[in-house]
Amino acid sequence: DQQVKQNSPSLSVQEGRISILNCDYTNSMFDYFLWYKKYPAEGPTFLISISSIKDKNEDGRFTVFLNKSAKHLSLHIVPSQPGDSAVYFCAASVLAGNQFYFGTGTSLTVIP
Amino acid sequence: ETGVTQSPTHLIKTRGQQVTLRCSSQSGHNTVSWYQQALGQGPQFIFQYYREEENGRGNFPPRFSGLQFPNYSSELNVNALELDDSALYLCASSPLSQRGEQFFGPGTRLTVL
Repeated sequence: DQQVKQNSPSLSVQEGRISILNCDYTNSMFDYFLWYKKYPAEGPTFLISISSIKDKNEDGRFTVFLNKSAKHLSLHIVPSQPGDSAVYFCAASVLAGNQFYFGTGTSLTVIP
Repeated sequence: ETGVTQSPTHLIKTRGQQVTLRCSSQSGHNTVSWYQQALGQGPQFIFQYYREEENGRGNFPPRFSGLQFPNYSSELNVNALELDDSALYLCASSPLSQRGEQFFGPGTRLTVL
């Protein structure tokens, strides 16, 4: 049972524009969410996180929005750069839990 | 500061065999988690080790087992390999706090024939 879903396998965006990656979850107990970026032949690298007590967290060009009522989070990248081309995974965990549940990933291509 | 390393990079086994994968955690990290990433899927949590004890387990059968050593490095052992065990196995380490990010290694690609 996939508790974290990324329904868009791929996304193409023009350089300089906004990239919006979406993630839905089913478990209302999730209270901590992260985004990871993965390049080929490398392990995922942490990008940004958000706790359920917030609805927005910003770090430079990256902003994560959390809508708890809709069980939805999104990652905004502005402006998008060619180096952002990678697979993006969202992940979630339960309070006091140590298990992270990952989505299936969205492959972002930023076109120069 | 050395990051998370894993060995081997890739290996090929046949059905029924046993395999051991190794992971060295990042300096200062005492928690290691293992994930299986099948093709086209996200990483799936296998188990976590904290101070040499198993500290949580995902939905994987007992033939998946692990160890953590005093230096916090870790092994993942899989017995009686099945074709569906073919995947990328990722190791991630983290510091004492369990709520923060995990630092992933590059993974071991296992192919079971």
